[in-house]
Amino acid sequence: DTAVSQTPKYLVTQMGNDKSIKCEQNLGHDTMYWYKQDSKKFLKIMFSYNNKELIINETVPNRFSPKSPDKAHLNLHINSLELGDSAVYFCASSQGSEGRGYTFGSGTRLTVV
Amino acid sequence: QKEVEQDPGPLSVPEGAIVSLNCTYSNSAFQYFMWYRQYSRKGPELLMYTYSSGNKEDGRFTAQVDKSSKYISLFIRDSQPSDSATYLCAMSAGGSNYKLTFGKGTLLTVNP
Repeated sequence: DTAVSQTPKYLVTQMGNDKSIKCEQNLGHDTMYWYKQDSKKFLKIMFSYNNKELIINETVPNRFSPKSPDKAHLNLHINSLELGDSAVYFCASSQGSEGRGYTFGSGTRLTVV
Repeated sequence: QKEVEQDPGPLSVPEGAIVSLNCTYSNSAFQYFMWYRQYSRKGPELLMYTYSSGNKEDGRFTAQVDKSSKYISLFIRDSQPSDSATYLCAMSAGGSNYKLTFGKGTLLTVNP
């Protein structure tokens, strides 16, 4: 039973399209995150929700919009996709802020052509 | 200066070697230190977790944190081909700050 699951695993789409990535966690954690990993493997936080409230919003183009319908779900919608959006997007969850128990999903590999 | 610096390697060692991976950081607010292992096309998985300065050992893995030098290390003893992966250091200030700040990762290959 996967702890943090993301769909889809792979996404290939054309520039200008709009796409969504979904994430669900069954760990009972109160905080969920979106991280972006670029081609050089650098992982950087994009957003975080704690109990459905947005608590982290890093410098991310406003074409990216997260939504958390409940504690167990966090979705990412991307408008007007650009070539530079190609990356692996990881969802994660945690209980508390100390880092212990921070659990990542297996990632969504987005390719914009 | 980046908040967390990590030599990206790549690092290639023979099976059985001792591997040393390191990160330095500049933010003195960091209190929680982690090492993640990431296999190709997988998500990062937590390998070691340390609070504040000190050592922690788990099987073949030892994590060390020296807050006075702002330096953390991961040692892998008797390295195995299955240890071949990217190793990422990560840090958190905790409290109201929920984000993890990662190093760029070191690609390790252990050759049989």
